[in-house]
Amino acid sequence: AQKITQTQPGMFVQEKEAVTLDCTYDTSDQSYGLFWYKQPSSGEMIFLIYQGSYDEQNATEGRYSLNFQKARKSANLVISASQLGDSAMYFCAMRVGFMEYGNKLVFGAGTILRVKS
Amino acid sequence: DVKVTQSSRYLVKRTGEKVFLECVQDMDHENMFWYRQDPGLGLRLIYFSYDVKMKEKGDIPEGYSVSREKKERFSLILESASTNQTSMYLCASTITGRSYNEQFFGPGTRLTVL
Repeated sequence: AQKITQTQPGMFVQEKEAVTLDCTYDTSDQSYGLFWYKQPSSGEMIFLIYQGSYDEQNATEGRYSLNFQKARKSANLVISASQLGDSAMYFCAMRVGFMEYGNKLVFGAGTILRVKS
Repeated sequence: DVKVTQSSRYLVKRTGEKVFLECVQDMDHENMFWYRQDPGLGLRLIYFSYDVKMKEKGDIPEGYSVSREKKERFSLILESASTNQTSMYLCASTITGRSYNEQFFGPGTRLTVL
């Protein structure tokens, strides 16, 4: 079964430091994709970064990078230089199903990140 | 500015009532999704639709139905609301065809069933 596991229910990080949010996945598919979303307390889901299973380089988007270790089936999100506005819930998700159906996603349980000043 | 909107941010209903949650997107996306979000469980897919009048069950469809009469609108229906359907409901949409296309989400509807 396809599954996403986020083992850290909550994390604290000091402002300006880097933090890693863990994500492991389980799939038997050769082609898959991994997404990270941020959900602030206001509730909206904000797309952060995407990594395809065939991508040779780790994805980066500004202060966000994805540490993709295919053999270990992990796709950890690294946030550099944390800011107070990074305090939010973070979800890891995996694309399943056929692309014709527009990327059905399976989500992990989420990690709440709190940035301390 | 692309948008997914949901009809209500907060909704309170009584057990046994029929509940309609509406979602509208202005991005001409083919695919639309309904999720529920519960603490410790993340987001779970209820139903999705890949075209007008087409629907597919997600992981937890029991107690729910959907309707998609127009491309931009996807409705979630609770035929007879129960207290265990108290949750945050999120609608999303995405285009077809590219593996990296993210889903765009609405602001969510927090439903309480008394």
